[in-house]
Amino acid sequence: NAGVTQTPKFQVLKTGQSMTLQCAQDMNHNSMYWYRQDPGMGLRLIYYSASEGTTDKGEVPNGYNVSRLNKREFSLRLESAAPSQTSVYFCASAPDRVTHEQYFGPGTRLTVT
Amino acid sequence: KQEVTQIPAALSVPEGENLVLNCSFTDSAIYNLQWFRQDPGKGLTSLLLIQSSQREQTSGRLNASLDKSSGRSTLYIAASQPGDSATYLCAPASYSGAGSYQLTFGKGTKLSVIP
Repeated sequence: NAGVTQTPKFQVLKTGQSMTLQCAQDMNHNSMYWYRQDPGMGLRLIYYSASEGTTDKGEVPNGYNVSRLNKREFSLRLESAAPSQTSVYFCASAPDRVTHEQYFGPGTRLTVT
Repeated sequence: KQEVTQIPAALSVPEGENLVLNCSFTDSAIYNLQWFRQDPGKGLTSLLLIQSSQREQTSGRLNASLDKSSGRSTLYIAASQPGDSATYLCAPASYSGAGSYQLTFGKGTKLSVIP
């Protein structure tokens, strides 16, 4: 039982390049989330998905797109990377049980030059 | 919009002390509140979750309390150890529709426990 996994762990992009961050969970959770963490800002929600086939914007969605490929996988795409997107990205998932406790992946550290 | 404040921003204590980390939030219509631990360069580890109907939750040396009406939560760490050194994050959850809940994070309290 791996929990929430994210790939890659590290990535360096040039301005204007595109890439997709991958997230998968093996806990049969319905809800999945993407956050970014910046120094002095705390974690902020980018997008979330309440179930397979649905996605909704969070606090900072501009410059990102997401895909809920199936119940297990939720990807985050940067179409044209900008230096302001340099950050650590975390994926999380939560069950529909009473607690709705969120479980986090190890993160992807992205640098855009 | 929910806003979360954690005080103090940093704390340095000698080993063995009992300590309290504070969290306040502006919107009391929360579903639950999670406390997380984050080690440098690592992901978030959930420590405790308090449902909105609960007053406190305990796990080992950790005790978290919740006063929803006043928008406050505290994390109490008993007999602190150097291994407790980390950043502690508070995150109340609000309903966002379709069975999903959004967490709003504070900026954290960075704890250093000196041997």
